[in-house]
Amino acid sequence: DARVTQTPRHKVTEMGQEVTMRCQPILGHNTVFWYRQTMMQGLELLAYFRNRAPLDDSGMPKDRFSAEMPDATLATLKIQPSEPRDSAVYFCASGPPGQARKTQYFGPGTRLLVL
Amino acid sequence: TQLLEQSPQFLSIQEGENLTVYCNSSSVFSSLQWYRQEPGEGPVLLVTVVTGGEVKKLKRLTFQFGDARKDSSLHITAAQPGDTGLYLCAGAASDYKLSFGAGTTVTVRA
Repeated sequence: DARVTQTPRHKVTEMGQEVTMRCQPILGHNTVFWYRQTMMQGLELLAYFRNRAPLDDSGMPKDRFSAEMPDATLATLKIQPSEPRDSAVYFCASGPPGQARKTQYFGPGTRLLVL
Repeated sequence: TQLLEQSPQFLSIQEGENLTVYCNSSSVFSSLQWYRQEPGEGPVLLVTVVTGGEVKKLKRLTFQFGDARKDSSLHITAAQPGDTGLYLCAGAASDYKLSFGAGTTVTVRA
């Protein structure tokens, strides 16, 4: 049963610290998305990649957030420095070639709390 | 402001009753997806509709895409406690970006 995996599942940190979240997309999927979910804003797209190339990161605060795909099996989302307003659940999702517009599989999320 | 408006925001019904959730927008979408999310988990894709007027059935769930591809509905027949969750609609435009609605929290009481 292929699934998107995310680590860590929970993270509590202090303001100003660096946070790195990792995602392993489903094997064979070539499109990877990062979303953030909060009670106030709901699910928002932060960035996405196709074939490891960033296609759009307009949803990300550029000064503190960065997203990369070092290889096809790993996507990372980094926040430096973190702020309390970054507290949210961060989801990674992946989509198969040619179908990502219609089919996205979400990971379980990383629950981030910045104190 | 959400691109997709979902209604109602909350829905609490008794087991065996029917329910309908609506997803509306002023924008046209190439496809629309429905997800269910349970506490502590990520959204799980239920269905994707791509053709205006399309109706898809998944057991007791019926999904409809509006003729103009701007709105959609999800109807659950004879709801069960296992249907409890947050239902999200998401529309895809011309690229890979999905715009999500705020969600409808459905509670089915036994």
